Amino acid sequence: SQTIHQWPATLVQPVGSPLSLECTVEGTSNPNLYWYRQAAGRGLQLLFYSVGIGQISSEVPQNLSASRPQDRQFILSSKKLLLSDSGFYLCAWNGRGFYGYTFGSGTRLTVV
Amino acid sequence: TQLLEQSPQFLSIQEGENLTVYCNSSSVFSSLQWYRQEPGEGPVLLVTVVTGGEVKKLKRLTFQFGDARKDSSLHITAAQPGDTGLYLCAGILTSGAGSYQLTFGKGTKLSVIP
Repeated sequence: SQTIHQWPATLVQPVGSPLSLECTVEGTSNPNLYWYRQAAGRGLQLLFYSVGIGQISSEVPQNLSASRPQDRQFILSSKKLLLSDSGFYLCAWNGRGFYGYTFGSGTRLTVV
Repeated sequence: TQLLEQSPQFLSIQEGENLTVYCNSSSVFSSLQWYRQEPGEGPVLLVTVVTGGEVKKLKRLTFQFGDARKDSSLHITAAQPGDTGLYLCAGILTSGAGSYQLTFGKGTKLSVIP
């Protein structure tokens, strides 16, 4: 069966520090992968999506970047965190021709 | 501008009551999905609707896609405390630049009081 793993679950980081969040998918190949951020009262905002290794599309200009070094691995990074980067980060995947997304359990990031 | 408007934003009802939440847009969607999210967890897919006028039932939950594929509703019959959560609608635009990208509404936060 397909599963998605996302870690860490919670993270408290100082302003100006780097960030690396990792997401891996098991039980499928060539998934579409997504990073979303969810802020209170603002729904889910798409940050990045990837349709293959090394292929990254960014939806909004920001202090973050994403990489896909392997088929089932998706990484969200920042060189220097800002207070405004705080939020709930969600990784998701879906297969070709299938609309539904499967989400990871999320990372609660607090920048202090 | 929010592409998908969900209403109400908050809903608190007694166990056993019925309720309907709405998801509206001025845009046409090729498909629309409903998710339920519990605090501290990722959203979980409940249903996908793709045909205008389509109705799908999932136990006590009934989902409807509007004829023009611009809106959807979720009706819960005899709500239970286990239905508590944030209900999100999400759609794929027919004219979107990336056919894989879901656009989410802000959600309806439902509380069912025992």
